[in-house]
Amino acid sequence: EAGVVQSPRYKIIEKKQPVAFWCNPISGHNTLYWYLQNLGQGPELLIRYENEEAVDDSQLPKDRFSAERLKGVDSTLKIQPAELGDSAVYLCASSLGRGLSDEQYFGPGTRLTVT
Amino acid sequence: SQQGEEDPQALSIQEGENATMNCSYKTSINNLQWYRQNSGRGLVHLILIRSNEREKHSGRLRVTLDTSKKSSSLLITASRAADTASYFCATGGVYTGANSKLTFGKGITLSVRP
Repeated sequence: EAGVVQSPRYKIIEKKQPVAFWCNPISGHNTLYWYLQNLGQGPELLIRYENEEAVDDSQLPKDRFSAERLKGVDSTLKIQPAELGDSAVYLCASSLGRGLSDEQYFGPGTRLTVT
Repeated sequence: SQQGEEDPQALSIQEGENATMNCSYKTSINNLQWYRQNSGRGLVHLILIRSNEREKHSGRLRVTLDTSKKSSSLLITASRAADTASYFCATGGVYTGANSKLTFGKGITLSVRP
């Protein structure tokens, strides 16, 4: 069974440019998460979807970040415009249930470098 | 904000030794989970312990939870070089709904010397 797929694995962009990350969760997993992980830190939740509904986007900087999960399967996270401080690893995860008591399966992440 | 705080920040041991990592948290939890992250890769779930459990085992892993002290420990017995990774504890809050989420600590870097 395929795990959580993310692309691209690496992205280097100049500041003020837009960037998008794509995630395909494990088949049948209703809950999808986007996390941000800075160097030497643990992941921090950006947004959580249950099917196509964003049920927790309180940590998503909505002035420049947006996300969608139109058909309740794969998801896209976008940053426009990117800032130097956005350099980090963006992780996508999925779980079968709502996540609090469920194992979350993580993708390999997208390492973003903003120059 | 990150609720779980792991201790120590870094740990270096010899292959075959046991590794003990600790996690403390501040607010009431529904469960506590431990994850492992190898360099440059995503996190892998290791074990989950619920707030009404005190100890749990999985292979060479043993997790304890003391809700009165708001702390947990992860013990890896007979460590191997392949256990070299960062280990994170993550706490699941008691609230349900939109504000419920897993909160990760900063992680512990474990190095197992061959």
